[in-house]
Amino acid sequence: GDSVTQMEGPVTLSEEAFLTINCTYTATGYPSLFWYVQYPGEGLQLLLKATKADDKGSNKGFEATYRKETTSFHLEKGSVQVSDSAVYFCAHNGGSQGNLIFGKGTKLSVKP
Amino acid sequence: DAMVIQNPRYQVTQFGKPVTLSCSQTLNHNVMYWYQQKSSQAPKLLFHYYDKDFNNEADTPDNFQSRRPNTSFCFLDIRSPGLGDAAMYLCATSWGGPDQPQHFGDGTRLSIL
Repeated sequence: GDSVTQMEGPVTLSEEAFLTINCTYTATGYPSLFWYVQYPGEGLQLLLKATKADDKGSNKGFEATYRKETTSFHLEKGSVQVSDSAVYFCAHNGGSQGNLIFGKGTKLSVKP
Repeated sequence: DAMVIQNPRYQVTQFGKPVTLSCSQTLNHNVMYWYQQKSSQAPKLLFHYYDKDFNNEADTPDNFQSRRPNTSFCFLDIRSPGLGDAAMYLCATSWGGPDQPQHFGDGTRLSIL
């Protein structure tokens, strides 16, 4: 069935380190792919999205590329900041009626 | 500037006492969703409205109901809350198209005494 698998956390990095959070998906057809970020005590915010193969989504220094051949959508940032500490969710909308299928989330902690 | 507004942010109720959570939106989106999120887990879809059409997920307990009186408002009713219903409840909206993202409110954290 449809699913999203993302790397287990928590991930702890020092400020200015390089970040990669892996995400792979299974879906029928060609879903749109999303990364959402959740700061403590808040709802989810859309970070970036890609709607077709080879599209690159980017926002706030984060990037992810829709790779159909590897069914992946890995999140990257070249230099993380303390303010990037949050939980990151990978998702696709290939569920029934286009509903979002979420990964389990990866908690990122960035230390000064 | 807030687009999806959930009230209240924190709700405390007693075991078995009905509770209603509310969500409003200024985006005029035709789809509204309710999710349950427990600690350190992904959001779990409970149901959604596509315009006035109600769509219930197969594993959503009967204890959970929803109402959407108009485009802007949607309510989540929990008829007899149990301890296992303590969670963050998230409302989201979208245009419902295949590449449309969902816009989330800040959630209501429900505690059961």
